[in-house]
Amino acid sequence: DVVMTQSPLSLPVTLGQPASISCRSSQSLVYSDGNTNLNWFQQRPGQSPRRLIYKVSNRDSGVPDRFSGSGSGTDFTLKISRVEAEDVGVYFCMQASHWPWTFGQGTKVEIK
Amino acid sequence: EVQLVESGGGLVQPGGSLRLSCAASGFTFSSHWMNWVRQAPGKGLECVARINEDGGEKYYVDSVKGRFTISRDNAKNSLYLQMNSLRAEDTAVYYCIQYSRGWWGQGTLVTVSS
Repeated sequence: DVVMTQSPLSLPVTLGQPASISCRSSQSLVYSDGNTNLNWFQQRPGQSPRRLIYKVSNRDSGVPDRFSGSGSGTDFTLKISRVEAEDVGVYFCMQASHWPWTFGQGTKVEIK
Repeated sequence: EVQLVESGGGLVQPGGSLRLSCAASGFTFSSHWMNWVRQAPGKGLECVARINEDGGEKYYVDSVKGRFTISRDNAKNSLYLQMNSLRAEDTAVYYCIQYSRGWWGQGTLVTVSS
């Protein structure tokens, strides 16, 4: 199975400051069709996960533009340009290029 | 509005069975692959099964192969997960999801305990 490794696992941030989460996969996520199926999810306390980013860098509808995704191959990053209070939660990366689809361990974002 | 509403969770003894259901609305259910994803309490996420549009292709994670069966009824806009030989490690919130559109249900809790 593809192992997804996130860092850091805990991320205290100051309101208005940027934040960055890294996700590395144990093998390339480039699928046979040329797409890279790397997704980012946000899970607020007590809620279902919500997808923020699909195929590395595409924001889902309604996702604020302070969220951005980048990367290629095995190395990916989620950035929040200016953290707001509503961004508190756990963030997961997830690959859907190789079955079984697998998730990172999660990064807990909290306000300092 | 897209809705995925799971039901059927509950407390079951080890070795027992449960059948989860997911009622879909707000989109053309029969045109989409569907998945079941689970999240053990305080832990990460695991995609346990997926099924294609007509139910002819099914995939399972190794930990549930031979014990869980995913199915669908497109006439009823419903997705199912039959879970047999349940183990304590199957305890989790089970989510019905449509991956390509990023749609998730609210989840249903399955607790396997004596």
